[in-house]
Amino acid sequence: GNSVTQMEGPVTLSEEAFLTINCTYTATGYPSLFWYVQYPGEGLQLLLKATKADDKGSNKGFEATYRKETTSFHLEKGSVQVSDSAVYFCALSQIETSGSRLTFGEGTQLTVNP
Amino acid sequence: DTEVTQTPKHLVMGMTNKKSLKCEQHMGHRAMYWYKQKAKKPPELMFVYSYEKLSINESVPSRFSPECPNSSLLNLHLHALQPEDSALYLCASSQAGTQYFGPGTRLLVL
Repeated sequence: GNSVTQMEGPVTLSEEAFLTINCTYTATGYPSLFWYVQYPGEGLQLLLKATKADDKGSNKGFEATYRKETTSFHLEKGSVQVSDSAVYFCALSQIETSGSRLTFGEGTQLTVNP
Repeated sequence: DTEVTQTPKHLVMGMTNKKSLKCEQHMGHRAMYWYKQKAKKPPELMFVYSYEKLSINESVPSRFSPECPNSSLLNLHLHALQPEDSALYLCASSQAGTQYFGPGTRLLVL
């Protein structure tokens, strides 16, 4: 079956530091890959996505590249801010006749200190 | 516009109460989802509706009853819940494999 493995947290960084959150996956076929972000007390927000190999998703300074050869989709940001403190979920999706089924990683808690 | 709305934002209920959660989207998405999320965990899929028909039930107890009155609305009816059902309940809708989530209803069962 499908699975997603994220680097364990929590991750604590200082403002303006470089961020990498590792994500690897196991799937049959050609899944789409996503990063979702969840701020305290809120729902999940789609941060970025990539639908095929070598695609780069980007949003709000975050980037991730779909690497089929290493089955990875690592999240990066060059300079984090305090407002980036949140839980980040890597996920993959495969479309089924009944809709799309998301497989999530366990989530990585990021805290950015001033 | 990629907005999914959910009401209420918070809900406290006793184990004998009946309540409903509501979800709405106006993006024309034909698949809608209910998830349950416990603290510090990823969301767990409960139900999927595709074209207003229930297509996936992840072996959810019958005290949770979903309903899809039309293509924009999704309800979750709650009855005789247990304290362990306290969680954040998230609704989502999808288009071309991308799911968009609502802000959730935080449920506390006393």
